[in-house]
Order: sequence, then C-alpha cells, then structure tokens
Amino acid sequence: QVQLVQSGAEVKEPGSSVKVSCKASGGTFSNYAISWVRQAPGQGLEWMGGIIPIFGTAKTAQTFQGRVTITTDESAHTAYMELSTLRSEDTAVYFCARLAYDSGSYYFDYWGQGTLITVSS
Amino acid sequence: EIVLTQSPGTLSLSPGERATLSCRASQSVTIRYLAWYQQRPGQAPRLLIYGASIRATGIPDRFSGSGSGTDFTLTISRLEPEDFAVYYCQQYALSPYSFGQGTKLEIK
Repeated sequence: QVQLVQSGAEVKEPGSSVKVSCKASGGTFSNYAISWVRQAPGQGLEWMGGIIPIFGTAKTAQTFQGRVTITTDESAHTAYMELSTLRSEDTAVYFCARLAYDSGSYYFDYWGQGTLITVSS
Repeated sequence: EIVLTQSPGTLSLSPGERATLSCRASQSVTIRYLAWYQQRPGQAPRLLIYGASIRATGIPDRFSGSGSGTDFTLTISRLEPEDFAVYYCQQYALSPYSFGQGTKLEIK
C-alpha cells in the first residue's frame, strides 16, 4: 500500500523560508511524479508544482516561480518543497500527491496527510 | 492557463437524492486529463474519477463522470451520508494543472 507521510506543522515568520518533506513508502518512488498542492484556510486547492524523481526536473506554477523549489532524495524516497520569502497569504495546508498514469490519463492517486504552515510574526 | 469553474458553489440535498455537479473549462480539455476529487473536512482529497469517466479503485458505482470538451459532470446517483463533502474537478492538460473552486455538497 502506497503511503505519503509529510513532515509536521510549522509556524514561520514573514520573510523566512520553510521546507516540507514527503516520504513515500510502498511503491516505486522514482517512477512517479510528485506534485505539491496547497489549500489556504477555507479555500480551494492550488497546484504549486511537481517533479519526476527519475529525471530530477521540476515544473512550477508561474505564481510561485522564484519562490518555490521542489527536489527529491531518491535514496530516501522523499520529496521536498521549499517556499521562500513567506508572507501571511502563504498560510495554508500543503499536500504532496503522487501523479499516476493509466491508459493515457494522469491523476493524483495518493496524497499525503497535509502539513499546516502558519506564517505569523 | 485553463480556468475551471464549478457550479453550483453549494448544493443542498437529502440522502437518497441525486446530485449533479458541473465543471466548465475555459478551453477544451482532453477527457483523459480531467479528474474529480472528494474532500472531507480535515482530510486530504481523494480521487473519485479520472479520464472524465473512469471510477478509481474502490469508488462506489453511484459515482459517475461524464462530459467532453469544456463541460464535465459528476453525478452521484443516490446520496449516502458520507457523500456530503466538497468536490473538485482538476485538469492535467496544461500547466498550471488547475483545480476548480469546488462544490460543497451539504445535507438539506
């Protein structure tokens, strides 16, 4: 059974950075892209970016370009999302999700439990 | 960028009723790149439908998806108490891989 386990909640000051981890178990980590999706309080889902571990290349949404870095450590079966220059609007739950491919379709089949990042002075 | 607009924003129904949720895209989306997710309070989203109409593993057959081009629909044939949640459509045709704003399905 595939599981994605994320690091714990954090409180960060405006202007600082945060790095969230997502450890995968139960599947072939390198063959699947991992995406990051965030959800502000009471709001919808927002795709931030993703990475394919076997290639190591990341794609990020224009909204976050320059502020988000997505990496993986294949040996640790772990993906990371680092968000810099934090502001209060970045307060949200951050999810990692595995991108699956089947019969020409792409979809997120497994999700982490979410990590609450609170940006506050 | 593809914008997905879901309607209605909130749908109030009773258990046993039929729910029809709409997702409209700002440009055509190939059906294999359209998915639906359910999110209960405090939980991560759960995949329901991919390829616009293919039920994910373990999803009851009261859930069905349809549509093509710019108009997609999620139908729940007979609502069970556990179905009251927020539903999102999502496209993987063009980056950024956007989600709709969600439809909240609430008990009437």
